[in-house]
Amino acid sequence: QKEVEQNSGPLSVPEGAIASLNCTYSDRVSQSFFWYRQYSGKSPELIMSIYSNGDKEDGRFTAQLNKASQYVSLLIRDSQPSDSATYLCAVVTGANNLFFGTGTRLTVIP
Amino acid sequence: GAGVSQSPRYKVTKRGQDVALRCDPISGHVSLYWYRQALGQGPEFLTYFNYEAQQDKSGLPNDRFSAERPEGSISTLTIQRTEQRDSAMYRCASSTRNEQFFGPGTRLTVL
Repeated sequence: QKEVEQNSGPLSVPEGAIASLNCTYSDRVSQSFFWYRQYSGKSPELIMSIYSNGDKEDGRFTAQLNKASQYVSLLIRDSQPSDSATYLCAVVTGANNLFFGTGTRLTVIP
Repeated sequence: GAGVSQSPRYKVTKRGQDVALRCDPISGHVSLYWYRQALGQGPEFLTYFNYEAQQDKSGLPNDRFSAERPEGSISTLTIQRTEQRDSAMYRCASSTRNEQFFGPGTRLTVL
């Protein structure tokens, strides 16, 4: 079982819609969770971090964490073509290592 | 301020040669991480340092790979006797707490 699982996509949404990206993780004692955005040919860029159950909002982005279900998600409201990228979920495990999922490729259609 | 920098950005080498990849972290960042990323995959952990101490090297694929950070700042990832399967993007990240910030990466091609 992989440490972090994501649907590889591609996920396509029309401009202005809500994009929903999902991630599950296997280590129950994980405490820190991150979403990175990676444009093609570029480095991963940190866009959200979340440490507590519930929602955390930052502009058009909302991260949601449910530790009981070992599930973390990212919602992007009012999606823009510039949001088209691969979104990587990353989790710090109990051994203090950061594991990444394979990423979900998002395409926002104008 | 300056972000994480890596050099060289591209490295082409022949099988059997040694290569050294450099990472210069964000000033003041305690932790430094090395990852390898294959196309279409997320970054794969290799090793990390707190200050000059290597905390975990469990992700290094084999003993041809080594890393050091002698003064707690710049780090070097060395691959000895390179093989074609070592071709990948090698990424470095630094952090002061939990949030890691990535450098531009070094694209290694082994012919």
